[in-house]
Amino acid sequence: EDQVTQSPEALRLQEGESSSLNCSYTVSGLRGLFWYRQDPGKGPEFLFTLYSAGEEKEKERLKATLTKKESFLHITAPKPEDSATYLCAVRLDQGGKLIFGQGTELSVKP
Amino acid sequence: DTEVTQTPKHLVMGMTNKKSLKCEQHMGHRAMYWYKQKAKKPPELMFVYSYEKLSINESVPSRFSPECPNSSLLNLHLHALQPEDSALYLCASSRQSTNTEAFFGQGTRLTVV
Repeated sequence: EDQVTQSPEALRLQEGESSSLNCSYTVSGLRGLFWYRQDPGKGPEFLFTLYSAGEEKEKERLKATLTKKESFLHITAPKPEDSATYLCAVRLDQGGKLIFGQGTELSVKP
Repeated sequence: DTEVTQTPKHLVMGMTNKKSLKCEQHMGHRAMYWYKQKAKKPPELMFVYSYEKLSINESVPSRFSPECPNSSLLNLHLHALQPEDSALYLCASSRQSTNTEAFFGQGTRLTVV
């Protein structure tokens, strides 16, 4: 069965305290892995696309990496405005299915 | 521009009502999606349209009826909903239904009373 698992479920950081979020996947036919940020009551905001093991993408304080079984979202020196739920999604080789992990709720305190 | 526009933003409807949610994109994307999201849960796929044809229906009850009138528009017709259908309904689009990232609208917050 295709599965996407994110850890931890929740993460509390102090401003400036770097950390990583994990997304592990077991899917038959990966057609891309995507990271999104979601603020309460809003739609997910696209961050990164990763296709191949070894690929890395960077944007401001965020860096996403991909291996054959998992992806990491590294957050360097986070600020309170980085507080949100971060969702990982994988696109399956099944006519357009895009399935999400459970998300990591990140809280950054000043 | 990566904008997907959903209307209305909020909707309250009775269990006997008929209403529709609308979604529009002008990015030339040929795949469009409906997702349902309950509080503290990830988005859950309902339907996928590819080139205006329904390609995936995730066993959604028939009280939800999708429609794709053209490549820019996606509707979700609602009829005889239950209180447990209350949720945030998200529309998304992507260049095509394989490989590419999807862009989401801000959602319609639906409350069934």
